[in-house]
Amino acid sequence: KQEVTQIPAALSVPEGENLVLNCSFTDSAIYNLQWFRQDPGKGLTSLLLIQSSQREQTSGRLNASLDKSSGRSTLYIAASQPGDSATYLCAVTAYFGNEKLTFGTGTRLTIIP
Amino acid sequence: DTAVSQTPKYLVTQMGNDKSIKCEQNLGHDTMYWYKQDSKKFLKIMFSYNNKELIINETVPNRFSPKSPDKAHLNLHINSLELGDSAVYFCASSQPGQGVETQYFGPGTRLLVL
Repeated sequence: KQEVTQIPAALSVPEGENLVLNCSFTDSAIYNLQWFRQDPGKGLTSLLLIQSSQREQTSGRLNASLDKSSGRSTLYIAASQPGDSATYLCAVTAYFGNEKLTFGTGTRLTIIP
Repeated sequence: DTAVSQTPKYLVTQMGNDKSIKCEQNLGHDTMYWYKQDSKKFLKIMFSYNNKELIINETVPNRFSPKSPDKAHLNLHINSLELGDSAVYFCASSQPGQGVETQYFGPGTRLLVL
């Protein structure tokens, strides 16, 4: 059974710093991995999706990497801003044709102005 | 224009009542989902429908019954509500088979059972 873990559960950093969020999964047989952002009252927003054959994806100040063999992914946020404060979730999909996501418990990020 | 919408946004009700949560997506997706997020922020899938047909049914009490009148709607009906049903319920949709199966989530429905 796939288990997804995110450490730390909460993180506070001063504005402007670069930071890394970690995600690990127990079963490396995944199809893809997604990073989401969760804002209170606004549901989840998909940030980046990495296919199992890819090593990384970039969008603006965000860069997500995937090391499938070791069961790890990181989300790198450059030059953090107060608007980045949110809970970040990673989730994996088992295989093509099964879009069920298995989520981690999230990292609550606070950017201190 | 909202892609995935849920109603109601908040729901407070007594134990034993029956309630429904509605979900609609205007993205033209074939697949829709219901997730439950508990007090520890852990999200777990409950159901998945593809073009009105149930394809995923996780271990969920049979008090929960999804209904998909058409592929743009997936409603969740809950009978005999219990305290442990208090959670945030998220609806989502995706379009499989197009290479990038990103799921789009609704804003969530916060259910509180008293």
